[in-house]
Order: sequence, then C-alpha cells, then structure tokens
Amino acid sequence: DADVTQTPRNRITKTGKRIMLECSQTKGHDRMYWYRQDPGLGLRLIYYSFDVKDINKGEISDGYSVSRQAQAKFSLSLESAIPNQTALYFCATSDAGQGIETQYFGPGTRLLVL
Amino acid sequence: AQTVTQSQPEMSVQEAETVTLSCTYDTSESNYYLFWYKQPPSRQMILVIRQEAYKQQNATENRFSVNFQKAAKSFSLKISDSQLGDTAMYFCAFMTHFSGAGSYQLTFGKGTKLSVIP
Repeated sequence: DADVTQTPRNRITKTGKRIMLECSQTKGHDRMYWYRQDPGLGLRLIYYSFDVKDINKGEISDGYSVSRQAQAKFSLSLESAIPNQTALYFCATSDAGQGIETQYFGPGTRLLVL
Repeated sequence: AQTVTQSQPEMSVQEAETVTLSCTYDTSESNYYLFWYKQPPSRQMILVIRQEAYKQQNATENRFSVNFQKAAKSFSLKISDSQLGDTAMYFCAFMTHFSGAGSYQLTFGKGTKLSVIP
C-alpha cells in the first residue's frame, strides 16, 4: 500500500463550488504539506503543518484553506473554486528526525474547474 | 528569496547513453540541502537523489550521480546508461529553513523534460 494517499485522484467541478482534497499517510511523519503544480511553473507551496495544532501559509495560500484532522490526515479546501485553480495538487510528508529532512509525495490530484 | 533555475526545458538522449541535466540556485544560506525529483507520466513525484551542502563528496545512487559545485551554486544530475524508464520530468529542488521556524522550505525549479529514445 502507498505510504501517502490522496483522494480523489481526479476531480471536475464548477466555478463557485466548494471542494475538499484529502491526504492520508502511514509514514508516521509529523509534517505535511500541500503543493500546487502548474505547467511550466514547477511546484509551489500552498500550506504546511508541522503537527496537529500547527498550520502555516505557504507561497500561494489565497483561495485555499486546510485542516489537520489528525497526525495522518491533512485536507485542502477550495471554498469557492475558480478556473485558475485548475492544477495538479500534491500532498507531501516529512520527518525532521531522519537525517536529511526529505519530503515524500502522494500521487497527486488533478483538478479541473469549469 | 531562494530561486532554482533549470535552464534546459527539454532534453533527449539515446538509450544506454549518458545525459546531464543542469540546475543552479541562488541563496545566501550556508546550510541547505539539494534534491532531484523525477516525475514520470504517471505524475508521481519520486525522489532520485539528495545532497547535503556541507558534504564535498558528490552523492551517487546507482546510475544517478550529481556534480555539486557549491561556490558556483550548481547542482547537475548525471544519468548513466539511460533507460526508457528514465523518460520523465526532472525537478531540481533546494531546501533551507523556513523563516523563523525550525523546519525546512523546499523550492522547486520549473523542470526539465527528458526523453530517452530507443
């Protein structure tokens, strides 16, 4: 089984709808991240969380919110989706106590906002 | 702000040949880490190799090796004996501390699309 899972894998929604992307991990890591990937722009950080009670904004947090329901679960919400939020979204996890702090990624969620 | 530049948007290589992907970065930090991630058509982001800035020895993982030039702020990836499964987007990434926090921020380049030709 994958260590970092994301649901759904693909989603089509309409402008103005609220949607939630979910991430779960079995790696036992404390730190979790949400990234957005757009063609030609690489990955950009939306939000990150160092533990259940810690939430921080990343580079491009406007229009997004997150919830850290448990150590293993980190959800990303789009309160009112807009077409320029069409992108590939990645969840990642890391563990500060294991040498080089390396981030491990989920399989991604492809979101299309019409 | 940290920046990562991958100057080659696309590259191709014949199967079994060697190819080098370029990456440069800009930072005033002395303590940081560098990574190469691979994204095949399946879109999964897969760690290829990582390097600690304070180590002079270049990292190696099987057919993948890096040429880390700290003074030049350069971190290139060499793939030897290229295989069809190496066809993917390759992202260089730089990690340093989050401002005022105890953890690290990962900054990505825009990627290089590598095609391995049979």
